[in-house]
Amino acid sequence: DAKTTQPPSMDCAEGRAANLPCNHSTISGNEYVYWYRQIHSQGPQYIIHGLKNNETNEMASLIITEDRKSSTLILPHATLRDTAVYYCIVRPAEASGGGADGLTFGKGTHLIIQP
Amino acid sequence: DAGITQSPRHKVTETGTPVTLRCHQTENHRYMYWYRQDPGHGLRLIHYSYGVKDTDKGEVSDGYSVSRSKTEDFLLTLESATSSQTSVYFCAISPGTGRGEQFFGPGTRLTVL
Repeated sequence: DAKTTQPPSMDCAEGRAANLPCNHSTISGNEYVYWYRQIHSQGPQYIIHGLKNNETNEMASLIITEDRKSSTLILPHATLRDTAVYYCIVRPAEASGGGADGLTFGKGTHLIIQP
Repeated sequence: DAGITQSPRHKVTETGTPVTLRCHQTENHRYMYWYRQDPGHGLRLIHYSYGVKDTDKGEVSDGYSVSRSKTEDFLLTLESATSSQTSVYFCAISPGTGRGEQFFGPGTRLTVL
């Protein structure tokens, strides 16, 4: 999997948008960007993924730069329950040959939502 | 939430004893995974399965074996537990439909004394 770089920690005020950056300058053409989060002592939770277009779902939006070397996860209205470690991961999707291999988790960003 | 359960949720055992952790899914997903999580290391893949009786090693497979005799169950065995295997173990599943997302279970906290 390509390497990703994330800030170790970030703060955000409750109700504001939380913007989490991720650099993945060595990403390959067939690799997707995935975001997961892990709330304290729970299993990681899938948030969103994308290839090159911006994506949005009920949890978040994913903005990928045109050169695909970086991306930003946006939580539009952060709540205290969004306090977690957020992981940015790049890997091929299964359909493009990624097979069943696992995810490679880095250290992620510890997002703290302040009341 | 994906239907994934892990048992036991907590276990304390002694060095040298065998331990088996169970992951059970009700989603009929093709792929299943075992990860361990330790402070300073994040999550690391131990073994994975891409079908019944089809398994392969991950990054940290030494000291672990797995079995998958049914789609819904993926077992992780520590033949002779060591203190270095004290960790939190997570099971994950993936449908294998091409999207690549994985869904994680609640974890098992294992302490080897």
